[in-house]
Amino acid sequence: GESVGLHLPTLSVQEGDNSIINCAYSNSASDYFIWYKQESGKGPQFIIDIRSNMDKRQGQRVTVLLNKTVKHLSLQIAATQPGDSAVYFCAENNPGNQFYFGTGTSLTVIP
Amino acid sequence: DGGITQSPKYLFRKEGQNVTLSCEQNLNHDAMYWYRQDPGQGLRLIYYSQIVNDFQKGDIAEGYSVSREKKESFPLTVTSAQKNPTAFYLCASDRGQGRSPLHFGNGTRLTVT
Repeated sequence: GESVGLHLPTLSVQEGDNSIINCAYSNSASDYFIWYKQESGKGPQFIIDIRSNMDKRQGQRVTVLLNKTVKHLSLQIAATQPGDSAVYFCAENNPGNQFYFGTGTSLTVIP
Repeated sequence: DGGITQSPKYLFRKEGQNVTLSCEQNLNHDAMYWYRQDPGQGLRLIYYSQIVNDFQKGDIAEGYSVSREKKESFPLTVTSAQKNPTAFYLCASDRGQGRSPLHFGNGTRLTVT
């Protein structure tokens, strides 16, 4: 999951397994959330987003779950592949339309 | 393909020098943003612009300046007043209407010695 500090949380999974990456957001008024993937030396790449009027949204091999009660967001990646290895972080958008970003989780896929 | 271009990818400067990072987008987005990324921290907002010839300070604007003379361009100047300028700088844009994803460039890594 997300944390503040110098060391990123890490997750290692076997190729073909499912991955779950977690994020705790801070503002109960936030109403729009995004998951990004960032490979080393590159900019963040949009994966999937969800609005607060939904609790689940699916994309291609990815699912985002939103639990507003506990201010928790998760990203599930099905059949994880080596190309999924990257840092994943969430972003929350508050009513002031400013984004706040988590520190990220480093996912390593073991072939 | 539409996207955001940041240049250069790597930049080295001596302490005390100002340096300007380039950001160009061809997505026809109204809003543009500059973020700073440091190891183990979330992205932090430096400056943003919702429209041409207008921009606002973000959370860590001290030691930075920007301009927005054209819709496509949002250069960032890191001045000598920035106490810890070595970082990875990311430019982003969106439609500026809220609740839309930010699109990012591939960043500029600035090293000041």
